[in-house]
Amino acid sequence: GAGVSQSPSNKVTEKGKDVELRCDPISGHTALYWYRQRLGQGLEFLIYFQGNSAPDKSGLPSDRFSAERTGESVSTLTIQRTQQEDSAVYLCASSSEAGGWADTQYFGPGTRLTVL
Amino acid sequence: KNQVEQSPQSLIILEGKNCTLQCNYTVSPFSNLRWYKQDTGRGPVSLTIMTFSENTKSNGRYTATLDADTKQSSLHITASQLSDSASYICVVSRVAPGNQFYFGTGTSLTVIP
Repeated sequence: GAGVSQSPSNKVTEKGKDVELRCDPISGHTALYWYRQRLGQGLEFLIYFQGNSAPDKSGLPSDRFSAERTGESVSTLTIQRTQQEDSAVYLCASSSEAGGWADTQYFGPGTRLTVL
Repeated sequence: KNQVEQSPQSLIILEGKNCTLQCNYTVSPFSNLRWYKQDTGRGPVSLTIMTFSENTKSNGRYTATLDADTKQSSLHITASQLSDSASYICVVSRVAPGNQFYFGTGTSLTVIP
């Protein structure tokens, strides 16, 4: 498809388990962003990639969170030892360039993570 | 402290009416300001992006204004439609280092027939 896709769309896991969320950006987009949106709250920036490197990891809430990107394409967000407060919708976005005025971000539908 | 505040928190208007949403920020140094529309259960969709040199930008029935001196932005929706019901999020990004985004908590708009 032409848009950003994410998988799985829904994930229910037990506290303490690890989860991996996947994002497929729009082909050719060099910048990729991960956000978190807790129920009833605003978007929270987690991390962004320019190519395969992550210049800004300032939003990752703890060392249980990590992300990688390969081939300037697919990205995975991994949460280790999940906690109930990790329950949220995780959104991925991509853009053709990072940070500048022309940077329109296109969002995927999100992965709804529920930690029991 | 870098912050983005939006008002009102929620708004209900009649179909066909106009409305204006506000965004005040303290993010510095300022890079750009974006408005997003987020339908329930969907990812945000970009409406406008403005840099400090831009005072106004339109996208169909949506018109955003920016006053970089007072650090205020507004999103004006003209002739509202039922499909405008959504959350509208203001996002301000800061100049390097990094590429930091600061999100408002959004204004929930409901358009009723």
